[in-house]
Amino acid sequence: GAGVSQSPSNKVTEKGKDVELRCDPISGHTALYWYRQSLGQGLEFLIYFQGNSAPDKSGLPSDRFSAERTGGSVSTLTIQRTQQEDSAVYLCASSLASRKGETQYFGPGTRLLVL
Amino acid sequence: AQKVTQAQTEISVVEKEDVTLDCVYETRDTTYYLFWYKQPPSGELVFLIRRNSFDEQNEISGRYSWNFQKSTSSFNFTITASQVVDSAVYFCALSEAMDSSYKLIFGSGTRLLVRP
Repeated sequence: GAGVSQSPSNKVTEKGKDVELRCDPISGHTALYWYRQSLGQGLEFLIYFQGNSAPDKSGLPSDRFSAERTGGSVSTLTIQRTQQEDSAVYLCASSLASRKGETQYFGPGTRLLVL
Repeated sequence: AQKVTQAQTEISVVEKEDVTLDCVYETRDTTYYLFWYKQPPSGELVFLIRRNSFDEQNEISGRYSWNFQKSTSSFNFTITASQVVDSAVYFCALSEAMDSSYKLIFGSGTRLLVRP
């Protein structure tokens, strides 16, 4: 079946603009994660969804970052008033269940460049 | 606190050489899971293996093998007879059972370059 998909693949925006990044998890996967990969910080967790609720938002770096998930499927990560330090690759992952040790499968990422 | 260390930033080998990528982890949890992912130049993270803390058996899959040692908190990855297609960044990751989100804690990655 299809893997995790993300759109857009690349996004260039100007500082101060808002951006929305989209993630389509593997069909039937109930857990969804957002991570960020940047040169200085490596791969870091942002937020976790179990169904439509987000019990762990501990990785969101500031209140400019928010995310939602609807219908237990698609998720959108929104960054408001983007800053240059937001430039990174944003990766989405999903797993079949919210269970310890469950394997997470990653999408291709969205490469965000803030000018 | 949980932590994953991949001390080797970059490794360069000639094709057909064996290469071992090191991973050392820290955790307070008694139940945890370790993962290896491969990130080729295309950028997508590809799952390679998962190992739980109660299973210390080494695993072999083709040219890949993994050595899990709880005594040294290490989960090393060996590629035998490396090939150019093995060139990628490899990440080791930890997930703790007591973390209700089961998020992955990643190491900083090891870039492997296999030269023809």
